[in-house]
Amino acid sequence: KQEVTQIPAALSVPEGENLVLNCSFTDSAIYNLQWFRQDPGKGLTSLLLIQSSQREQTSGRLNASLDKSSGRSTLYIAASQPGDSATYLCAVSGGYQKVTFGIGTKLQVIP
Amino acid sequence: DTAVSQTPKYLVTQMGNDKSIKCEQNLGHDTMYWYKQDSKKFLKIMFSYNNKELIINETVPNRFSPKSPDKAHLNLHINSLELGDSAVYFCASSQEWTGNYGYTFGSGTRLTVV
Repeated sequence: KQEVTQIPAALSVPEGENLVLNCSFTDSAIYNLQWFRQDPGKGLTSLLLIQSSQREQTSGRLNASLDKSSGRSTLYIAASQPGDSATYLCAVSGGYQKVTFGIGTKLQVIP
Repeated sequence: DTAVSQTPKYLVTQMGNDKSIKCEQNLGHDTMYWYKQDSKKFLKIMFSYNNKELIINETVPNRFSPKSPDKAHLNLHINSLELGDSAVYFCASSQEWTGNYGYTFGSGTRLTVV
């Protein structure tokens, strides 16, 4: 059974800092890993999708890496802004709809 | 806008009532899902439908009955609501049934049973 852990559970940083969010998973037989952000009272917004054959994906100030063999992914946020404040969720897909979510990292960027 | 949209956004109801949540996607995706996010923020899949056919039915009380009239719609009907049903319910879709191209989520329906 796949288990997904996200550390830290919460993070507070001053505006402008670069930061890293971590996601680890127990079963390395994955198809892809997707990072989402969830704003309070809102749905999940997809940020980056990394296929199992890829090592990283970039979108703007976001960079996600994947090390399948060690069961780890990181989401790097450069030059953080208050608008980045949200909960970041990692979702690991074993394919065929077997998706396991982490509980998320709640990020607060302080102006 | 291309999206997954679900209604209502908020639903407050009494125990024992029957309620429905509607979901529609205009992305042309083949597969749709219902997820439940409980008070501890865990997101768990409840059902998935591929081209109107049930693919996954996780351990969910049979008071929950999904209905897919076409591949763009997946509704969730809940009978005899209980306090423990209070949660946020998310609809999602994926391009095809493997989900290998990622998922698109709706904005959620916060259900409160009193």
